[in-house]
Amino acid sequence: AQSVSQHNHHVILSEAASLELGCNYSYGGTVNLFWYVQYPGQHLQLLLKYFSGDPLVKGIKGFEAEFIKSKFSFNLRKPSVQWSDTAEYFCAVTANQAGTALIFGKGTTLSVSS
Amino acid sequence: ETGVTQTPRHLVTGMTNKKSLKCEQHLGHNAMYWYKQSAKKPLELMFVYSLEERVENNSVPSRFSPECPNSSHLFLHLHTLQPEDSALYLCASSQGLPGDTIYFGEGSWLTVV
Repeated sequence: AQSVSQHNHHVILSEAASLELGCNYSYGGTVNLFWYVQYPGQHLQLLLKYFSGDPLVKGIKGFEAEFIKSKFSFNLRKPSVQWSDTAEYFCAVTANQAGTALIFGKGTTLSVSS
Repeated sequence: ETGVTQTPRHLVTGMTNKKSLKCEQHLGHNAMYWYKQSAKKPLELMFVYSLEERVENNSVPSRFSPECPNSSHLFLHLHTLQPEDSALYLCASSQGLPGDTIYFGEGSWLTVV
């Protein structure tokens, strides 16, 4: 079965600082990887995903993530955070098979101070 | 607006009541999901329906009973709930194909008193 580990529970940054959130997954087969974001009071929405091809994936709002297969990792990065990036970030994995659902990590709360 | 609508948004219920959560997706998707989001825990997958058939049930207590009458609607029927069932219940949908984006509703907040 798949599982996802997010190393940081709560990250606090100042505006313009760089961000990296760790994510490791456990699964022996081919996977699809996702980062979802949940802004305060809003629904979960997709930030970016890796399906195949270039392991460096660019998403919305300047976020990117790199899939490193040998490390089973899919870390999320942003070079310069903004106050509006304050949210909860979830890494998720699904096996590359039809009908399989997302398995989520525990989430990382990002607080950005202005 | 996500294309996935959940009602009610908030529900307070006693342990002996029977209630239902409703989800409707307007995206033409073939798969629908129920997730439970509790504080300090990862989102827990509860049920998966693909083409109206249940394909996954993650050891969810029988007091939670899903129903998928068609590809656009998903229900979660609740009875004899426990206080630890208080959580945000998220409905989601996708095409059901590998690598698909899963679209979430805004959730139904359930409080069991």
